[in-house]
Amino acid sequence: NAGVTQTPKFQVLKTGQSMTLQCAQDMNHEYMSWYRQDPGMGLRLIHYSVGAGITDQGEVPNGYNVSRSTTEDFPLRLLSAAPSQTSVYFCASSYRTPPGLNTEAFFGQGTRLTVV
Amino acid sequence: AQSVTQLDSQVPVFEEAPVELRCNYSSSVSVYLFWYVQYPNQGLQLLLKYLSGSTLVESINGFEAEFNKSQTSFHLRKPSVHISDTAEYFCAVSDRGGNEKLTFGTGTRLTIIP
Repeated sequence: NAGVTQTPKFQVLKTGQSMTLQCAQDMNHEYMSWYRQDPGMGLRLIHYSVGAGITDQGEVPNGYNVSRSTTEDFPLRLLSAAPSQTSVYFCASSYRTPPGLNTEAFFGQGTRLTVV
Repeated sequence: AQSVTQLDSQVPVFEEAPVELRCNYSSSVSVYLFWYVQYPNQGLQLLLKYLSGSTLVESINGFEAEFNKSQTSFHLRKPSVHISDTAEYFCAVSDRGGNEKLTFGTGTRLTIIP
């Protein structure tokens, strides 16, 4: 059981370049999300999806796009990379639950991105 | 809106000593509370969670946390730490609306001193 798989693990980009961070899960989770982790700031939600074809913005969406064409995949696109996007990016997935319940979020290993 | 405060960014503790990592939250609605642990160069793993019922929750590796509604706190404790507990610990909240979006604190780096 692979869980949540993120690729690549490391990436260096030049300012203005674009790229896609890949995230795939094999647990049939409806809910997927992207966070960025910065020193002293914890994890901040970028975008999330409650199912195929449905996405929404989180706390820090500017400069990022997402799509959800399948249940398994939730790629994160950087349109024009900026040094401020240097960070560690985590993808997470979980089951959707009715109000009153909640379940564990499973995280990938992270992608360490440096924009120079 | 909800927020999480972890006042201690770093906590050094001698091996076999007790530890408490503090977490306070604010929210206009009832919340679910979580502690996640991040070992070096890894993703986050769920350590324990409070959903409802008993206010004291435990993990399989000896950590426990107590939900205190009046003090809006969810402090994490362990009576005797081990070198393997060295990690960063994140407190997180999620509201009760079936909304899985997690709001994280800034994290506490626990360092165990041999």
